[in-house]
Amino acid sequence: AQTVTQSQPEMSVQEAETVTLSCTYDTSESDYYLFWYKQPPSRQMILVIRQEAYKQQNATENRFSVNFQKAAKSFSLKISDSQLGDAAMYFCAYGASGGGADGLTFGKGTHLIIQP
Amino acid sequence: DGGITQSPKYLFRKEGQNVTLSCEQNLNHDAMYWYRQDPGQGLRLIYYSQIVNDFQKGDIAEGYSVSREKKESFPLTVTSAQKNPTAFYLCASSIGWNEQFFGPGTRLTVL
Repeated sequence: AQTVTQSQPEMSVQEAETVTLSCTYDTSESDYYLFWYKQPPSRQMILVIRQEAYKQQNATENRFSVNFQKAAKSFSLKISDSQLGDAAMYFCAYGASGGGADGLTFGKGTHLIIQP
Repeated sequence: DGGITQSPKYLFRKEGQNVTLSCEQNLNHDAMYWYRQDPGQGLRLIYYSQIVNDFQKGDIAEGYSVSREKKESFPLTVTSAQKNPTAFYLCASSIGWNEQFFGPGTRLTVL
């Protein structure tokens, strides 16, 4: 079974600075998908960024970018120019490939605090 | 507007009762999912359905049941066999391997 580990229960960053959230995963598959989801206090899950394992290029979405290290099974999220609205729980998730939509495996999350 | 709706937002259950959580989507997605979230935990998969009239158990299916009679609807029943049902329940849908879209969730509390 796949596992996803987020080793930082909580992170704090000053507004406008950069923060990196860590995620490692375990799988024997070669093709899969990785996601970062944001859950603000409203508890609505919002997709931040997605990475396909077959793509070597790291995904980027505005201030959000990932460092995908396939051999190391690492998938970290970098948030640049942190804003107060970035404060939330962040979950790393793994999705198996193979043509079936079998659900995602989530890490336990990192609580991101933005200091004004 | 396309999206996923869940109802009710808050639900209270007495010991020994079955309760049903509603999940509806108008995104025309084939796949739908139910997740459970406990404090300090990530989301855990309860059941999923890739097509109408078919569904599969996830990692923590014991004490839960589902049906998928319509593409748009995927209700979850929490049965009396679920010994610790107090949690936040999230429904999601997707097309294949694109992102999963989530509903706003239902908070279930056992009295």
